[in-house]
Amino acid sequence: DAGVTQSPTHLIKTRGQQVTLRCSPKSGHDTVSWYQQALGQGPQFIFQYYEEEERQRGNFPDRFSGHQFPNYSSELNVNALLLGDSALYLCASSLTTWPGDSPLHFGNGTRLTVT
Amino acid sequence: DAKTTQPPSMDCAEGRAANLPCNHSTISGNEYVYWYRQIHSQGPQYIIHGLKNNETNEMASLIITEDRKSSTLILPHATLRDTAVYYCIVRSTGNQFYFGTGTSLTVIP
Repeated sequence: DAGVTQSPTHLIKTRGQQVTLRCSPKSGHDTVSWYQQALGQGPQFIFQYYEEEERQRGNFPDRFSGHQFPNYSSELNVNALLLGDSALYLCASSLTTWPGDSPLHFGNGTRLTVT
Repeated sequence: DAKTTQPPSMDCAEGRAANLPCNHSTISGNEYVYWYRQIHSQGPQYIIHGLKNNETNEMASLIITEDRKSSTLILPHATLRDTAVYYCIVRSTGNQFYFGTGTSLTVIP
């Protein structure tokens, strides 16, 4: 049973460019969250998708957008890249339950370097 | 949203129990405590979670105080592969996970 898979594993972009990162959730999971992890910091929540809609959003600008597909996979798009966007981008999947005690399962991330 | 406080670093001798503390004094009654760990360049790995009662699984034990303002993660027999950054997280009712900077645990041979 495959866990959360992300592609690509590494990416180098130039300031001002746009990037798309991809995520396939763990089998059986219906919710996908994205996190940004700068060097030496803990992951920071970007947004969460459920039923193909953005359900929650962290403190990130509109340059960060996403999408969830009918098969629950997801994309993270970042426009007008800044040097400060260089980070490890983590995708996490979970099963939406009540009262919401389903753990997040993380992929190994995409390392984005902006030059 | 409840925040957590953890010591920045800890050492533990190989084979001994590692006890990692966490304070979460503003936790609400229906918020879960989660523990994850992250080995360099990998995604965070789920360890254990709990609400009120102590929990145990094949990886670790979680002890939550009666007032729920603090908890301790116990790795019963630490190995070198347990060297990692450990995050204590209080999961908000909005389903967001707020990671702090965690505790860097070093297991010493």
